[in-house]
Amino acid sequence: EAQVTQNPRYLITVTGKKLTVTCSQNMNHEYMSWYRQDPGLGLRQIYYSMNVEVTDKGDVPEGYKVSRKEKRNFPLILESPSPNQTSLYFCASSPTATSYNEQFFGPGTRLTVL
Amino acid sequence: GDSVTQMEGPVTLSEEAFLTINCTYTATGYPSLFWYVQYPGEGLQLLLKATKADDKGSNKGFEATYRKETTSFHLEKGSVQVSDSAVYFCALSSIFGGTSYGKLTFGQGTILTVHP
Repeated sequence: EAQVTQNPRYLITVTGKKLTVTCSQNMNHEYMSWYRQDPGLGLRQIYYSMNVEVTDKGDVPEGYKVSRKEKRNFPLILESPSPNQTSLYFCASSPTATSYNEQFFGPGTRLTVL
Repeated sequence: GDSVTQMEGPVTLSEEAFLTINCTYTATGYPSLFWYVQYPGEGLQLLLKATKADDKGSNKGFEATYRKETTSFHLEKGSVQVSDSAVYFCALSSIFGGTSYGKLTFGQGTILTVHP
């Protein structure tokens, strides 16, 4: 089944404790992206990757890192989480970065930083 | 920069009622427009899309027409069902105006609840 998977689905952590949220897609997509969803704000892009080893900042990159060493994986790293990073996170992928492509979303990771 | 504005929610309807969720946008160039749906506890799924002016996207009884003159992409359905209860997001994607390639710019989302 074609899908985007994320782990973990739920995470409660404390301020300053490094964490990684994994994202993997099995559709051979070039483009991958991370969004965060906050009430009343919709989804905002954190980082994106055009292809392997090529990443760039989205609209809200502060406090986050990413890497794209393999085509299928695009982990999101929070080196020192803070309470304002409490949010619902989605990974997405699409065949290429073309504007008309559908993006496929993972099931989401709900993160709480205490 | 690009932006998307959706009608204020939440929206509560009875089954078989007519649905309209308004969406207007601001963008440089010629964006593609999308409606995504998020069912409880799930990720977003594409509902429909339109890639140029006057295109009509449709799926599962939902429709939306890309209106360049009014910069709108309103979502409509003639007869909603309880199973349509979800959050609906209008979004655009554009490669112009300095936005990142492939980025989706989302509206704030509209919660739809349909009662039997």
